[in-house]
Amino acid sequence: EDQVTQSPEALRLQEGESSSLNCSYTVSGLRGLFWYRQDPGKGPEFLFTLYSAGEEKEKERLKATLTKKESFLHITAPKPEDSATYLCAVQAGTGNQFYFGTGTSLTVIP
Amino acid sequence: DSGVTQTPKHLITATGQRVTLRCSPRSGDLSVYWYQQSLDQGLQFLIQYYNGEERAKGNILERFSAQQFPDLHSELNLSSLELGDSALYFCASSASPGHMANYGYTFGSGTRLTVV
Repeated sequence: EDQVTQSPEALRLQEGESSSLNCSYTVSGLRGLFWYRQDPGKGPEFLFTLYSAGEEKEKERLKATLTKKESFLHITAPKPEDSATYLCAVQAGTGNQFYFGTGTSLTVIP
Repeated sequence: DSGVTQTPKHLITATGQRVTLRCSPRSGDLSVYWYQQSLDQGLQFLIQYYNGEERAKGNILERFSAQQFPDLHSELNLSSLELGDSALYFCASSASPGHMANYGYTFGSGTRLTVV
């Protein structure tokens, strides 16, 4: 069964404490993997798209990487404003099926 | 402001009732997508329209239907509502007809539906 699993469910970091969020997937025919950020009461905000193993994308303190089975979102020296839920989604299959993970809730403490 | 407008922001209704959620896509975007987000299931894709025609269908219940009008705004109709339909309903838009454009797509702020 195609699925996307994110871990951990919740993460609390001190400001400046770097860490990584994981998104593992079991799908056939990956077409793309997407990272979104969601703030409370708002819609998800697009961050990155990754297409093939080995690909990396960076934006400010965030860096996304992709392997054949998982993706990591690395957060370097986070700030309180990085606190949000980070969602991973994959697009797969010939029918463009796609799946969202349930997200990682990140809290960065000043 | 993402450019995708959803109304209403909040909706409280009783079981068995019917509601309509509205979405205006970002200017220039032809694709509209509807998602349901509940606490225990995360984001679930419901349906996509591109330039007025249904393009892709996800886990949308038969009690739910949607359409996209010539001016490109879209409506999601939910009928015979049940307690379990309580959720956030998001609309997203993109310029591309392909599901999930290369640059991702833009979400609205959602409609919070509470069924009592």
